[in-house]
Amino acid sequence: TQLLEQSPQFLSIQEGENLTVYCNSSSVFSSLQWYRQEPGEGPVLLVTVVTGGEVKKLKRLTFQFGDARKDSSLHITAAQPGDTGLYLCAGARNFGNEKLTFGTGTRLTIIP
Amino acid sequence: DAGVTQSPTHLIKTRGQQVTLRCSPKSGHDTVSWYQQALGQGPQFIFQYYEEEERQRGNFPDRFSGHQFPNYSSELNVNALLLGDSALYLCASSYKLGSMNTEAFFGQGTRLTVV
Repeated sequence: TQLLEQSPQFLSIQEGENLTVYCNSSSVFSSLQWYRQEPGEGPVLLVTVVTGGEVKKLKRLTFQFGDARKDSSLHITAAQPGDTGLYLCAGARNFGNEKLTFGTGTRLTIIP
Repeated sequence: DAGVTQSPTHLIKTRGQQVTLRCSPKSGHDTVSWYQQALGQGPQFIFQYYEEEERQRGNFPDRFSGHQFPNYSSELNVNALLLGDSALYLCASSYKLGSMNTEAFFGQGTRLTVV
């Protein structure tokens, strides 16, 4: 059972456009992580958010953790072809990060 | 500094066979977790090993078992393979600091195909 729902599942946009990916749950997580995965590779950690309402920026990527720590969003400004990939959110129920619950994933394609 | 390494990268097995997948954690890490990622899905937690013991387990049958060695490397064993076991198997390592684990780093995965 997937406790984290991501939307949209697929997104294809032109280079230079902005986009937002959402990660929603009815459960509270102590922390939430965003990963990007390339075909045939393992997920690569982008960011971890732990505080409700927290906003973190990584160059053109902005990550936000919901106030209630049940949801998160990833916003990409001026998307580039190198942003293409599968974006996964993953929540940890306790601060021990002992078990990650992954979302369903958003497959992003940036068209040059 | 080598990251998380997994072997083999690809594997084809027949239904009913048994398979062993291997993982070497990132240098300095002592905790290994295994995940199954079916095509088009997010990874699903199988189990986690620390101090050579299984610490947590996801919703997987007993056909899935594991082991951790004194050097922190780990193996995932799957018995009586089913077609539905075809997936990318990911290993993630982290370091246990007190009661918490540091962020997990993933290997490139082993693509298992059951025919």
